[in-house]
Amino acid sequence: DTEVTQTPKHLVMGMTNKKSLKCEQHMGHRAMYWYKQKAKKPPELMFVYSYEKLSINESVPSRFSPECPNSSLLNLHLHALQPEDSALYLCASSLTGLTEAFFGQGTRLTVV
Amino acid sequence: GQNIDQPTEMTATEGAIVQINCTYQTSGFNGLFWYQQHAGEAPTFLSYNVLDGLEEKGRFSSFLSRSKGYSYLLLKELQMKDSASYLCAVAQGGKLIFGQGTELSVKP
Repeated sequence: DTEVTQTPKHLVMGMTNKKSLKCEQHMGHRAMYWYKQKAKKPPELMFVYSYEKLSINESVPSRFSPECPNSSLLNLHLHALQPEDSALYLCASSLTGLTEAFFGQGTRLTVV
Repeated sequence: GQNIDQPTEMTATEGAIVQINCTYQTSGFNGLFWYQQHAGEAPTFLSYNVLDGLEEKGRFSSFLSRSKGYSYLLLKELQMKDSASYLCAVAQGGKLIFGQGTELSVKP
């Protein structure tokens, strides 16, 4: 199993809604990441979890709240988002922080 | 600071060879990755260089010179399906930092 699975694939939410994005991998990877990608731009790192602990937060606004319940799961909780937060949210995992990262197919988020 | 530069766009002909360059200036270096991303899809891993030299993987090769802060991705026998964005990424301090990507168009 070399997959990183993200759900949902598409999400439309209002600015007052609370929603969560989910990511799962069963490769035994100990580093997991959230990236945000706007159209025709590269992925932008948001958070890194290493051994289930938050190791990097790239000054992301608090309306994005990550959670790592166990070594296979990574969530991103969303609350009071703005229309400019609309983007493709990519989850990735790697064996350690120094090896290649495998990406999920992403969640395309639209904030209305 | 972090600076990773790639050409924005390139065009090449089916069956030809194309070289996509990447230069970087980063505060740390744990390796350089190349990813391919088709429109609307996730990036997929192509290659990894941590030591100087050439890594070959089928039609794709990647080269690294750490002293020059330079890498390239070489694609041989181009196929139409190779039309995609190619992302150079530097690993440092537990992060993977991406360049802006090179949009490659392969023409018949």
